Amino acid sequence: GAVVSQHPSWVICKSGTSVKIECRSLDFQATTMFWYRQFPKQSLMLMATSNEGSKATYEQGVEKDKFLINHASLTLSTLTVTSAHPEDSSFYICSAISVRTEAFFGQGTRLTVV
Amino acid sequence: DAKTTQPTSMDCAEGRAANLPCNHSTISGNEYVYWYRQIHSQGPQYIIHGLKNNETNEMASLIITEDRKSSTLILPHATLRDTAVYYCIVRETGNQFYFGTGTSLTVIP
Repeated sequence: GAVVSQHPSWVICKSGTSVKIECRSLDFQATTMFWYRQFPKQSLMLMATSNEGSKATYEQGVEKDKFLINHASLTLSTLTVTSAHPEDSSFYICSAISVRTEAFFGQGTRLTVV
Repeated sequence: DAKTTQPTSMDCAEGRAANLPCNHSTISGNEYVYWYRQIHSQGPQYIIHGLKNNETNEMASLIITEDRKSSTLILPHATLRDTAVYYCIVRETGNQFYFGTGTSLTVIP
């Protein structure tokens, strides 16, 4: 299957700082990328949908000024958690799709805010 | 929002077939049925998808009822590595993937 890579796999940051997570599609061009958040023992919650070259569409209840998404190319999308707080600690996962119908997921980034 | 209902958990003996059901009674004609699984602390892995015909690949088989209101994912010979949370998702091409609560499958030695 197609490969989607996330970086970093885990990160610890201090409260009030910003953290950037990268999502790359390694062997295909992703027309659309999705960002999810997953808390322990819960399912994946869709945060936003991003299309290359346009603004991301955020799900209800997700603050767009706090979770900045940039999708500058067909192979790269970034999620920046701004002014992170302990309640932002979570597992963040991206996925990417192309002309095929199925989505492929990154391995996830575990963010811990201390 | 998720439009599927799955049992919370299931057990399966190693080497036996695992049959995971999914109800999607409000599925529309353009929506596909997708199955993904997530092993602890990893990103979801694509398994299979279908529209109305049964599908089979190297990982699993997908049986969709004629009225498309339910489906079953079949892992023909479950191994310990198949222990994971399995998600059934209905989605129209071009739309988002919304995850429900999934089924936690435990394969027992």
